[in-house]
Amino acid sequence: GESVGLHLPTLSVQEGDNSIINCAYSNSASDYFIWYKQESGKGPQFIIDIRSNMDKRQGQRVTVLLNKTVKHLSLQIAATQPGDSAVYFCAEVKTSYDKVIFGPGTSLSVIP
Amino acid sequence: DADVTQTPRNRITKTGKRIMLECSQTKGHDRMYWYRQDPGLGLRLIYYSFDVKDINKGEISDGYSVSRQAQAKFSLSLESAIPNQTALYFCATSELGLAGGNEQFFGPGTRLTVL
Repeated sequence: GESVGLHLPTLSVQEGDNSIINCAYSNSASDYFIWYKQESGKGPQFIIDIRSNMDKRQGQRVTVLLNKTVKHLSLQIAATQPGDSAVYFCAEVKTSYDKVIFGPGTSLSVIP
Repeated sequence: DADVTQTPRNRITKTGKRIMLECSQTKGHDRMYWYRQDPGLGLRLIYYSFDVKDINKGEISDGYSVSRQAQAKFSLSLESAIPNQTALYFCATSELGLAGGNEQFFGPGTRLTVL
């Protein structure tokens, strides 16, 4: 079946280091992918998205890489800060259904 | 002030009770969504609405109903709550459809416990 999932449920990084959060997906028919950040007690917040015809997109301190060959998506956070501690979700968008399919999430902890 | 608000933020109820969760938004968006979040499962779509006259089932609509009272309000009801509906519920809005790459804006969530 279709699924969007994350390789690691938890990730701990030292403040100032770069973080890499991974995501695997099984359906190659999606149109684009989104990364969301969810801080404790809050709803998910959009970080960045990438269309399926792209392999890289950069934002402020974040980069998303898409490898369609192996159906893998990653979120790289440069110079990780304590405020980056949160659960990160990758999500797959199928425009034909106009809905988002979320993965289970990775919890990122930043060690001061 | 928050753009997407949800009430109540926390609710404990008993099996068989009817529960309504409310969502309001000031973003002026046409599209609204209800999700539930369970540990280890991410968010799953319950219902969504493209405008006041349009309601669509999501992937887990059984046991739930919704009402779009106005552009700004979208309510989720559990007609007869059961324990496996214990979860965190999120409302979200978007200006355009997801096909347009438009981001969703989420409310703070409602934590529902069914005993």
